[in-house]
Amino acid sequence: GNSVTQMEGPVTLSEEAFLTINCTYTATGYPSLFWYVQYPGEGLQLLLKATKADDKGSNKGFEATYRKETTSFHLEKGSVQVSDSAVYFCALSDNTNAGKSTFGDGTTLTVKP
Amino acid sequence: DADVTQTPRNRITKTGKRIMLECSQTKGHDRMYWYRQDPGLGLQLIYYSFDVKDINKGEISDGYSVSRQAQAKFSLSLESAIPNQTALYFCATSDPQGPQHFGDGTRLSIL
Repeated sequence: GNSVTQMEGPVTLSEEAFLTINCTYTATGYPSLFWYVQYPGEGLQLLLKATKADDKGSNKGFEATYRKETTSFHLEKGSVQVSDSAVYFCALSDNTNAGKSTFGDGTTLTVKP
Repeated sequence: DADVTQTPRNRITKTGKRIMLECSQTKGHDRMYWYRQDPGLGLQLIYYSFDVKDINKGEISDGYSVSRQAQAKFSLSLESAIPNQTALYFCATSDPQGPQHFGDGTRLSIL
């Protein structure tokens, strides 16, 4: 079956530091890949997505590139802010069960001033 | 107004009680989902529905049931609540291949 493996947390960074959260996946076919963010007391919300190999998703300074050769979709941001503190989830949606997603366990990011 | 609305937002109840969590959406999506999130853990799929006449069990369906009353409404029931069902519950909707859109969750505590 499908699976998503995320870098274990928690991750603590100082403001303006560089962020990488690793994500690798196992899936049949050509899944779509997503990063979601969950702020305290809220549901998950889509941060960015990529639907085919070599696509780069970007939003709010975050980026991730769909790497089929390494089955990875690592999240990066050049300069984090305190407001980026949240839980980040990597996920995939495959073609065989369209719309049904598989989520990673989430990585908690804390950014200190 | 939120695209996906869950009610109630918080609920405290006792062991053995029947509980219903409700979800409604204005996205016009056919696909709807119920997830459970435990502290420090990811999401576990309870049930999902690809249209009004389609209901499927997820990873952890034991002890839960669902009803898809309309395209926009998908409710989750705990027939006889037990303490280890204390968790945060999320409803979500999606298009085929699209991202999922989540409600803000229901925090359920069973004493």
